[in-house]
Amino acid sequence: DAGVTQSPTHLIKTRGQHVTLRCSPISGHKSVSWYQQVLGQGPQFIFQYYEKEERGRGNFPDRFSARQFPNYSSELNVNALLLGDSALYLCASAAFAGQNYGYTFGSGTRLTVV
Amino acid sequence: QQQVKQSPQSLIVQKGGISIINCAYENTAFDYFPWYQQFPGKGPALLIAIRPDVSEKKEGRFTISFNKSAKQFSLHIMDSQPGDSATYFCAASITGNQFYFGTGTSLTVIP
Repeated sequence: DAGVTQSPTHLIKTRGQHVTLRCSPISGHKSVSWYQQVLGQGPQFIFQYYEKEERGRGNFPDRFSARQFPNYSSELNVNALLLGDSALYLCASAAFAGQNYGYTFGSGTRLTVV
Repeated sequence: QQQVKQSPQSLIVQKGGISIINCAYENTAFDYFPWYQQFPGKGPALLIAIRPDVSEKKEGRFTISFNKSAKQFSLHIMDSQPGDSATYFCAASITGNQFYFGTGTSLTVIP
């Protein structure tokens, strides 16, 4: 079985630009969460989606937005990129929301803002 | 504000030794405490997890010790191997709505 798939794997953007990151969850998983991992730090929660509804949002500015599609894949969008947005963006999927177990992380998208 | 505090930042252990990583939390509403292992270029992978009604959980060479009154928990890696060299993160959650991660411990096991 395929795991959580994220694309692209690496991305370089210029300050002020917009970026879209994509995540395909494990087949059958309906919940997708997004995390930002700055180099040398632990992942920080950005969003959780379940059945196309936003279930949770972390302490990130409105420049960050996301959505989930009918096939449960998800996009994370970041507008007006700042140098500080450079990080590894991780997607995690689970069968359901509101459960502690069963989350699987993808390998992430490495975003570099120059 | 860091919800979960992790120490040490880095750890060097001889092959066959015991690696110990510690975490502390404040929010008593947390009901799930996982440990994740992360290799370079990969996402975190669940290693072992515990609920607050259990004081210890062991899976192979990996053991979580949990002290509810002290609001602390730790990961013990017995018989540490070079293949265990990775970054380890503790985390905490409330019914999985979001995970709060520690800052990570870089473990190096010397052959």
